[in-house]
Amino acid sequence: GAVVSQHPSWVICKSGTSVKIECRSLDFQATTMFWYRQFPKQSLMLMATSNEGSKATYEQGVEKDKFLINHASLTLSTLTVTSAHPEDSSFYICSARLLAGVRDTQYFGPGTRLTVL
Amino acid sequence: GDSVTQMEGPVTLSEEAFLTINCTYTATGYPSLFWYVQYPGEGLQLLLKATKADDKGSNKGFEATYRKETTSFHLEKGSVQVSDSAVYFCALDAGGTSYGKLTFGQGTILTVHP
Repeated sequence: GAVVSQHPSWVICKSGTSVKIECRSLDFQATTMFWYRQFPKQSLMLMATSNEGSKATYEQGVEKDKFLINHASLTLSTLTVTSAHPEDSSFYICSARLLAGVRDTQYFGPGTRLTVL
Repeated sequence: GDSVTQMEGPVTLSEEAFLTINCTYTATGYPSLFWYVQYPGEGLQLLLKATKADDKGSNKGFEATYRKETTSFHLEKGSVQVSDSAVYFCALDAGGTSYGKLTFGQGTILTVHP
């Protein structure tokens, strides 16, 4: 089946630094990717929709200047957490949307654990 | 806004027991409904889905029926296995301008003992 990877799988950084997380669709092209955030024992919350070749659309309450999204190719979207603070520590998950005829399925990456000290 | 509520876990069962994980939703219009499963160390995988009322999704022995009258999409399996131990998420896609955007429940941890 379709595979989505994320890199890194975990990262620890100091407060005030920026962290980039990559999401790749390994065996299919994805014009749309989604970024989610998951707090411990809580649900996944959609942060933004990443569209190849255009600006991302952010959900209400998500700071676009804080969470920079770039979808420069059909197989890669990046999320950069700028000037990270401890409250940004979370599990970030991406998904890539595969459209093939009548099939429309999202495939999820394994997630990236971010810890900000 | 749209929301999904799942039964709280964790759920602990013995092998071959019957499983039900309740899921109810709130949405305008006619959402599509999904169950995703997350095995330890892996990403979420689509388990099954239903796109309209009275549809039944099924996969790997799991079933769920889209009940519009009760706004529910409960997950069931007749006989669970140890390998079914995972976190299960109920989700909806409201469609329309939100097409493709998933709203998730909080997840239910299932542990199956031999």
